[in-house]
Amino acid sequence: GQQVMQIPQYQHVQEGEDFTTYCNSSTTLSNIQWYKQRPGGHPVFLIQLVKSGEVKKQKRLTFQFGEAKKNSSLHITATQTTDVGTYFCARNTGNQFYFGTGTSLTVIP
Amino acid sequence: NAGVMQNPRHLVRRRGQEARLRCSPMKGHSHVYWYRQLPEEGLKFMVYLQKENIIDESGMPKERFSAEFPKEGPSILRIQQVVRGDSAAYFCASSPDRSHNQPQHFGDGTRLSIL
Repeated sequence: GQQVMQIPQYQHVQEGEDFTTYCNSSTTLSNIQWYKQRPGGHPVFLIQLVKSGEVKKQKRLTFQFGEAKKNSSLHITATQTTDVGTYFCARNTGNQFYFGTGTSLTVIP
Repeated sequence: NAGVMQNPRHLVRRRGQEARLRCSPMKGHSHVYWYRQLPEEGLKFMVYLQKENIIDESGMPKERFSAEFPKEGPSILRIQQVVRGDSAAYFCASSPDRSHNQPQHFGDGTRLSIL
């Protein structure tokens, strides 16, 4: 019910290739947040999406919120080794944040 | 501005001992969240506190675990009589209020190892 599912769990790409991770919920989300965690590091907030169909860009990163507000995606164009890490989506239910299972991205030079 | 400060960064305890993890939120933040992360897993919500109040502790084990956020000083996550399964990274996050639109700011975490 409250959980958000992420796919894939792991992704290995050659440097320069694109990468996409998907976040799915069985219930409508009021908003969705994305975080990045580098190996050995802590989660860092990337962005928040609130509106149905919203698309936001940060340089090579494109974040999208589905029309039904039940899914979201993060797309990285032309990956670089600095993109390595685990990307989490998270939903907020007021008292709690539910984090997705994460997608671990490995970029092969 | 100082970010969320957690200490210690690493903590080693023997089975049966107590572990105390500290978290000082960002300046101006009065909402603190604790999470546990096992290796290669996501973050599991444990407890949400405001100053002097536990708002939601539904993610925290009923026994051995407790949390507080006193009027003065850092938030404390306390684990009594630790067992091997308590080994994990424990992250604290803070936000200025409980608005749905607020991002969470995380500390560097405490890596707890149980011998």
